[in-house]
Formats: sequence, structure tokens, C-alpha cells
Amino acid sequence: DSGVTQTPKHLITATGQRVTLRCSPRSGDLSVYWYQQSLDQGLQFLIQYYNGEERAKGNILERFSAQQFPDLHSELNLSSLELGDSALYFCASSGQGNSPLHFGNGTRLTVT
Amino acid sequence: AQKVTQAQTEISVVEKEDVTLDCVYETRDTTYYLFWYKQPPSGELVFLIRRNSFDEQNEISGRYSWNFQKSTSSFNFTITASQVVDSAVYFCALSEVNYGGATNKLIFGTGTLLAVQP
Repeated sequence: DSGVTQTPKHLITATGQRVTLRCSPRSGDLSVYWYQQSLDQGLQFLIQYYNGEERAKGNILERFSAQQFPDLHSELNLSSLELGDSALYFCASSGQGNSPLHFGNGTRLTVT
Repeated sequence: AQKVTQAQTEISVVEKEDVTLDCVYETRDTTYYLFWYKQPPSGELVFLIRRNSFDEQNEISGRYSWNFQKSTSSFNFTITASQVVDSAVYFCALSEVNYGGATNKLIFGTGTLLAVQP
């Protein structure tokens, strides 16, 4: 068990809808990362937060947004969903100073 | 720009065979970190190892060993006497070194699917 909790495990929704994925980092970790894993794109970095502030941005669509709250949990919001957004979304957290990233079990999103 | 290449898409071996997974990376940084992660069929990503670019010593952990060669920008992973439970997708990853505060994001390779047949 990595200590990173992601909910829900599975999500099935229709095109055009909006969903929110939630992540609780390991105790004490200030950084949260979001990754998207799809068959054609592999593991793509979306966004990183550090202690509530956006730290780095990757290939995140404008329809997607994220935030990290004062209690350090994070949410990834996906809106105007398209079929191509179907993927496994991972959250990871890390401590300071080049610590390894520890990943949650992911949320599998299916857009129909 | 940073890049990680795992040229082997799929490897199939028979139990007890040794297998090496290749990883080649590109970076302009002189210091960086390299990682290996395992993704079993259940889907989670499991951290295996982190290696600092300053340290080219090979590392062994049980049946796992890692060979880091800066001269060829490679960080290969060998499983000795493979077992069915080793069947998974293995990812190599690279990150910049951060000299304070937050750890930097990882750049992943495309992964190698290892199938160990009984």
C-alpha cells in the first residue's frame, strides 16, 4: 500500500459530462502529481501542486483543472468529456528533496 | 528536452530465465534521477528503485539488479530467475534534480510488458 488514496476507483460517464477525481497524499507529503495513462499516449504528466500552489504543468487540456486544498488533498476536474478522455488517472505524492513519487491505485474513467 | 526510451515493447520468457529490460534516456542536465516502476496486472504503479546520476554503482536487490552507465545513457534492469509474479509492465523514468523544496515531475518511458510463462 503506497499510502496514496484515490477515489473513486471506477467512473463511467457520458460525453459532455463533468467529473471530479479525488486524491489524498501520503501523510506528510506536500507534492501531488496527476498523470493520465492511456493506451496510445502512455503515462502523461498533467500537473503538479506543491503545498497548495501549482508547481508544474504538463500536457493538461484546458477542459481539465486541478487544485490542492489546505489539507493537501487534491482534486482533478474533467469537463466536457470526450470519448478520448477515457483513461486511467493516477495521483502521486512525494516528500521533499527528490523523493520518489508514490502512486495511488488510479481512477479508471470510461466515457461512453 | 528530457526523454526516456524503452525500445522493447513486449518480452516473453519462461520461468527461471534471466531477462534484461532496456532503458535509454536523454537529458541536458548533468545531474538527474532515474527510476524504475512496476505496474502489475492489477494496475497500481509500484516504485522499485531510484538512482542518482552521480552514483554509477550497480545495485542488486534480491533477484533484481540495475546497471547504470552514464557513458551510454542507459539504466537497464535485470531480473534473475524470473517468476510468474514478475509479469507486469515495467516503466523507466527520469527527473531533474531539485535543490530545494518540491521533487520534480517524472518523465516516463512507454514501458515494457514482461510476460513470464510457467
